[in-house]
Amino acid sequence: DAKTTQPTSMDCAEGRAANLPCNHSTISGNEYVYWYRQIHSQGPQYIIHGLKNNETNEMASLIITEDRKSSTLILPHATLRDTAVYYCIVRGNTGGFKTIFGAGTRLFVKA
Amino acid sequence: DVKVTQSSRYLVKRTGEKVFLECVQDMDHENMFWYRQDPGLGLRLIYFSYDVKMKEKGDIPEGYSVSREKKERFSLILESASTNQTSMYLCASRGDIGSYNEQFFGPGTRLTVL
Repeated sequence: DAKTTQPTSMDCAEGRAANLPCNHSTISGNEYVYWYRQIHSQGPQYIIHGLKNNETNEMASLIITEDRKSSTLILPHATLRDTAVYYCIVRGNTGGFKTIFGAGTRLFVKA
Repeated sequence: DVKVTQSSRYLVKRTGEKVFLECVQDMDHENMFWYRQDPGLGLRLIYFSYDVKMKEKGDIPEGYSVSREKKERFSLILESASTNQTSMYLCASRGDIGSYNEQFFGPGTRLTVL
């Protein structure tokens, strides 16, 4: 599975959009981009995933560049409860592929 | 409501003890995983299993073993606990069918080895 690179930490004002970048320059054609987040003292929680098209759900939007070497997770109106560590992961989608989590980005949403 | 449960939220053991961490999932998932999480290091994969009685080493298997006798249960074993195994341990499971494979995590076990 490909590796990812994310900033260590980011700040965002409450009510503003939080844009979290991720580089995955070694991604292969059959690998998806997944985003998870981990709120303090809980296990990670799935947010969104995509292959090459932009995706949106009730939690966030995922923008993947045309060459698929990077992506951005967008939380459109960040709240204090969005303060968490956000993990960007790339992996294949079948079989026993293991999932590699890096250190993630610690997002601080400030009032 | 899908669920991954872990036997303990907090555990304190002594150096040299044999430690069992249990994980159970109710989603009939084929794949199960054990991670440890330490400050600044993110989640690191210890072992994973893609079927009953099958296991594969992750990135940091040294000092650990696993057991998967039933599909729903995946156990992590510390044969002789050491202080450097003090950590948060997270279990996860994931299905195999279809193109969408969300990974579900348990609440974690915070293990302290004295």
